[in-house]
Amino acid sequence: EVQLLESGGNLVQPGGSQRLSCAASGFTFKNYAMIWVRQTPRKGLEWVSSISGSGGSTYYADSVKGRFSISRDNSKNTVYLQMNSLRVEDTAVYYCVRTRRGTVNGYYDSWGQGTLVTVSS
Amino acid sequence: DIQMTQSPSSVSASVGDRITITCRASQGIGNYLAWYQQRPGKAPKLLIYDASYLQSGVPSRFSGSGSGTDFTLTISSLQPEDFATYYCQQANSFGTFGQGTKLEIK
Repeated sequence: EVQLLESGGNLVQPGGSQRLSCAASGFTFKNYAMIWVRQTPRKGLEWVSSISGSGGSTYYADSVKGRFSISRDNSKNTVYLQMNSLRVEDTAVYYCVRTRRGTVNGYYDSWGQGTLVTVSS
Repeated sequence: DIQMTQSPSSVSASVGDRITITCRASQGIGNYLAWYQQRPGKAPKLLIYDASYLQSGVPSRFSGSGSGTDFTLTISSLQPEDFATYYCQQANSFGTFGQGTKLEIK
């Protein structure tokens, strides 16, 4: 059974940093791209970032480009999202997601439970 | 960027009813479209991919159709567990989601 377990969500001040982690199990992690998606009541579901299975290719939404960094450790079956220069509008539930075919671009067939990041002074 | 527009934003229906939700893309996306179901407090769940293919384990009362810019999700006979929020997503270029359709019990 595929399992994705996020951690690291917390209350952080504007301008601050936070690192999210996602521990994966139940599949051959290195064969799958991994995605971060966030959700807010106002903007709904938003793709944030993707990383290829090898980690050699990364992609970002314009709203986070230059501030967020995605990475992975295939020896630990874990993907990370480093979030810097956080803004109030980054407040959201962040989901770790796997794509159905393992590609960076595709359908999201497995989701974590989500971790809440709150950016507020 | 590709924009996805769903309609209606909410719909009320009864158990046993048939309902249809539509999704329109701002430009052609072939059949690179998915539908998700989200229950309160839970992560979204993939129902349909490539516009019309049922994800494993999803009941056959769910169906999808369309290509290009116009797509539909149909639930043929609503069950109590189907009352949730539904989202479309384009997978042509880094998944943009629709704004969601909340399906409520009448």
